[in-house]
Amino acid sequence: DVKVTQSSRYLVKRTGEKVFLECVQDMDHENMFWYRQDPGLGLRLIYFSYDVKMKEKGDIPEGYSVSREKKERFSLILESASTNQTSMYLCASSLSPTVISSYEQYFGPGTRLTVT
Amino acid sequence: QQPVQSPQAVILREGEDAVINCSSSKALYSVHWYRQKHGEAPVFLMILLKGGEQKGHEKISASFNEKKQQSSLYLTASQLSYSGTYFCGTDNGGYNKLIFGAGTRLAVHP
Repeated sequence: DVKVTQSSRYLVKRTGEKVFLECVQDMDHENMFWYRQDPGLGLRLIYFSYDVKMKEKGDIPEGYSVSREKKERFSLILESASTNQTSMYLCASSLSPTVISSYEQYFGPGTRLTVT
Repeated sequence: QQPVQSPQAVILREGEDAVINCSSSKALYSVHWYRQKHGEAPVFLMILLKGGEQKGHEKISASFNEKKQQSSLYLTASQLSYSGTYFCGTDNGGYNKLIFGAGTRLAVHP
């Protein structure tokens, strides 16, 4: 079974802090994604990566950056956390960016981040 | 542009049927459906591809109208385990970069 793990289930940070959210997948997937989930808005893509050291902006990248130094690990960074970044953050991975039969995204359990 | 899902919520009794719709303003390469149960991560249900190829789930089916840029998810003879929030994700250009709808909450009661 594919396993996507996230470093924390719950996190509380102060405004202005630098925040790191870590995601690790164990199935050698090429694609990795970061979403945030807010009530009534669904899942919104922040960034994604289709290869090591490659990254692409999603729909809401402002205030975030990412890092993918190893294939299995994709980090989301909040450079200076703000209260409007309080949300549920979900990481996902999929096998390949080009093979349609492998497009299924596997999600991690999520990190509920509260910025005070 | 986020796809529009309808209805926003639906309540069923076990055994009843439901249809969830997903509509996009952009041409679609594929449509993906996920279900998220309360407190859990979203789980893949199926993908519908431009040109008609489909991957499916057990008792849930879907259609994809490329011309209308719409997809519908059909849940027949609903079970309690169908409860959750259903999301459609649209892919406008390949590479599995999805834009998700706001979700449809489905509650199935005995």
